[in-house]
This record gives sequence, C-alpha cells and structure tokens, in this order.
Amino acid sequence: DVKVTQSSRYLVKRTGEKVFLECVQDMDHENMFWYRQDPGLGLRLIYFSYDVKMKEKGDIPEGYSVSREKKERFSLILESASTNQTSMYLCASSFLAGELFFGEGSRLTVL
Amino acid sequence: AQSVTQLDSQVPVFEEAPVELRCNYSSSVSVYLFWYVQYPNQGLQLLLKYLSGSTLVESINGFEAEFNKSQTSFHLRKPSVHISDTAEYFCAVSLMNTGFQKLVFGTGTRLLVSP
Repeated sequence: DVKVTQSSRYLVKRTGEKVFLECVQDMDHENMFWYRQDPGLGLRLIYFSYDVKMKEKGDIPEGYSVSREKKERFSLILESASTNQTSMYLCASSFLAGELFFGEGSRLTVL
Repeated sequence: AQSVTQLDSQVPVFEEAPVELRCNYSSSVSVYLFWYVQYPNQGLQLLLKYLSGSTLVESINGFEAEFNKSQTSFHLRKPSVHISDTAEYFCAVSLMNTGFQKLVFGTGTRLLVSP
C-alpha cells in the first residue's frame, strides 16, 4: 500500500515563527502536492512538484514556500506564520493520472 | 479553468435510506472525475474515479457515480447507507492529457447518517 506520512498531526505555533511541515511518500511517485483544507472552502492547492527540485505555484501560494530535495520528500514552509494560516494541511502524491494518495493531515494552529 | 460545485454542504439521512450527493463541474476540455471520502480525523481516500469507458463507476462499498457529459455532472449515489458512511465527500476534477495531475476540489458535502 502507498503510504504518505506527514511528520506532525498537530502543531501550535506563535505568530512570526517559521514552520516546517514535512511529507514523505514511499511509492516513488513523481508528483507531490500540498493542499490547505478549511471548512466551507474545500481543498485549495498551495504548491505542487512534478520532479525533484521542481515546484509550481498552486492557487494560494502567498505566504508559503516549498522544498523538494529528494523524490520522496516534499516540505511546506511558512516563513513567518500568521493567524490566518491556521488550518489543516494535507500532503498528497501521485504517479498516474487521477489518483492522489493523501497523508492524514497536519492541523496547524497559529496563536 | 475548470471548477467544481457541490451544492449541498450537508446531507442528513437515516440509516438504510438512499442518498445522492450532487457534483457539477465546468470545463472547456475533457476531464477526469473523482470522488474522495474523508472520515473524521483522517486524510482523503479515493472512493471512485471516471477516466474513460463506462460512464457508471462503482466503489467496493456500494457507492456509484455516473458521468453525464451533457449535464456536466458526476453525482454520487448509494441505495442504502450505513452509519459508517458518515463522512465528508469531495468531488474533484482534473484535465485530461496533462503531464501531471492537478486536481480541483469541490467544497465538500458532509453526509450525516443517523439510526
């Protein structure tokens, strides 16, 4: 089975802190994604990557950056966390068309 | 750009009753269509998908969805729901013939099954 692992299920950070969210997949997938999930808004794509060291902006990249130094790992970085970044963050990976495999999510609270 | 509309934010239903969760999409090109399910405190899991071929697709736990190109819909149905079907359901669309997979999700429908 494909496994996508997000390093932290729950985080609490203070405004202005730098936050790292880590995601690792074990199926050699080319594509990796970071989504943000908010009630009533569904999932919104922050960034995605289709190869090592490659990244593309999604629909809401402002305030975020990403890093993909190895194929299996895709990190989401909040350079200076703000309260409006309190949310559930979902990492996903895919190889073939269509099927995304998701991690269990990281719930971030920024105080 | 493609978009997905799930008109119902919440659908309450009694156990063993039928249910339909609606999904409409807009796109100027051909698309792939998906339904994902999210159980409480978990990530999303693929429920079923339409890529090509038969317009009626089924999942292993009794859900089905029918791709209707003329109505640009991909509604999800189950003839008899169970308490364990309580979850949030997301419809998603992606463009065919892209080199990588980028899904656009609807806002989700929370299915609440009560005894």
